[in-house]
Amino acid sequence: DIQMTQSPSTLSASVGDRVTITCRASQSISSWLAWYQQKPGKAPKLLIYKASSLESGVPSRFSGSGSGTEFTLTISSLQPDDFATYYCQQYNSYPETFGQGTKVEIK
Amino acid sequence: QLQLQESGPGLVKPSETLSLTCTVSGGSISSSSYYWGWIRQPPGKGLEWIGSIYYSGSTYYNPSLKSRVTISVDTSKNQFSLKLSSVTAADTAVYYCARVEAVAGPIDYWGQGTLVTVSS
Repeated sequence: DIQMTQSPSTLSASVGDRVTITCRASQSISSWLAWYQQKPGKAPKLLIYKASSLESGVPSRFSGSGSGTEFTLTISSLQPDDFATYYCQQYNSYPETFGQGTKVEIK
Repeated sequence: QLQLQESGPGLVKPSETLSLTCTVSGGSISSSSYYWGWIRQPPGKGLEWIGSIYYSGSTYYNPSLKSRVTISVDTSKNQFSLKLSSVTAADTAVYYCARVEAVAGPIDYWGQGTLVTVSS
């Protein structure tokens, strides 16, 4: 299985901050990476697919980049609604695997 | 608007079989290009892919669970189902059904999730 490692595990930030989360794959996954946002008690929500494509309806402050084994999710200006846990997911090969999550907390 | 809804027992005894059904509304489960999957999340932990199925019946299972998992589809009812046998406390989790873009792809629609507890 391809291992996905996110960093940091927890991130403390303030409204308006620029936030970056990193996801590393144990082998190359080309651009077959998605990012999800999950709030407590809710299902994850797709934000980004194919590493950098913004899902319809997702605010443009979210962006993704990277290819191969290293990827980033950036929130350009953190909003109150963005405090949540974020997961990356590779879908280059089966089984699809997720990172362990990054919790974005209020500073 | 596509909606997915999980249903099934919230409590299962150890060694028994967990059974869940996902009902799809607002769209057809027979849509080409989409697979239908199950993902689980133990309390306070991360996400684990269980497996997925195409409307034709083709399935893909996570090798770590393959010996215990069966996913099936009923196109006449617009439903797909999960069976996980010989459960233990480690199978306690929120189980999500979802729509997957292709055999391996991003998940664009999720059910709300259902907590299944394994306990005697």
